[in-house]
Amino acid sequence: EAGVAQSPRYKIIEKRQSVAFWCNPISGHATLYWYQQILGQGPKLLIQFQNNGVVDDSQLPKDRFSAERLKGVDSTLKIQPAKLEDSAVYLCASSREGGGSPQYFGPGTRLTVT
Amino acid sequence: GQSLEQPSEVTAVEGAIVQINCTYQTSGFYGLSWYQQHDGGAPTFLSYNALDGLEETGRFSSFLSRSDSYGYLLLQELQMKDSASYFCAVRPPGATNKLIFGTGTLLAVQP
Repeated sequence: EAGVAQSPRYKIIEKRQSVAFWCNPISGHATLYWYQQILGQGPKLLIQFQNNGVVDDSQLPKDRFSAERLKGVDSTLKIQPAKLEDSAVYLCASSREGGGSPQYFGPGTRLTVT
Repeated sequence: GQSLEQPSEVTAVEGAIVQINCTYQTSGFYGLSWYQQHDGGAPTFLSYNALDGLEETGRFSSFLSRSDSYGYLLLQELQMKDSASYFCAVRPPGATNKLIFGTGTLLAVQP
């Protein structure tokens, strides 16, 4: 089966600009996650969707970050305006419902904010 | 809250056995997972311990002891391709499959 798809793979923007990332999860996976991974650290969950509803967005900086999952499939994550500290890899993952289900990650988008 | 600590780097030689430890301070969790991430790549699932004890999957084994707040990943018959970062992660209580990742261990396998 096809894996999690993400685009773009790389993005360079200036601070205060906006940027959007796209994710297409594995077919049939109800749960979708967006993680932020800063260099040298583990991934940090930003937001989790179950179908098209938000399950957890406790660590999403809502003043600048937003995300949606239209029709319970694809998802977009937006940053507006970007700050230097937003430079990181943004990973999308998906999983089946049920506790303990493995999460399958996409290749990520490497964002550089200058 | 949850805090998971791992050694930052481990070095081993091909064919050897290496153990990557994960110690945690958490008020409770449902299970401990391990993920592998090659440089520039996506994290990939390795194992999940829902209960205390040892889980074996080929050359990789994972262990969990809740009483000791401790887990480890054991890699046997090391190969060069095992050079990567390894992360432990917990499912906190009250969450739907949410993961909190550890600090990560960079494993370097030498010939």
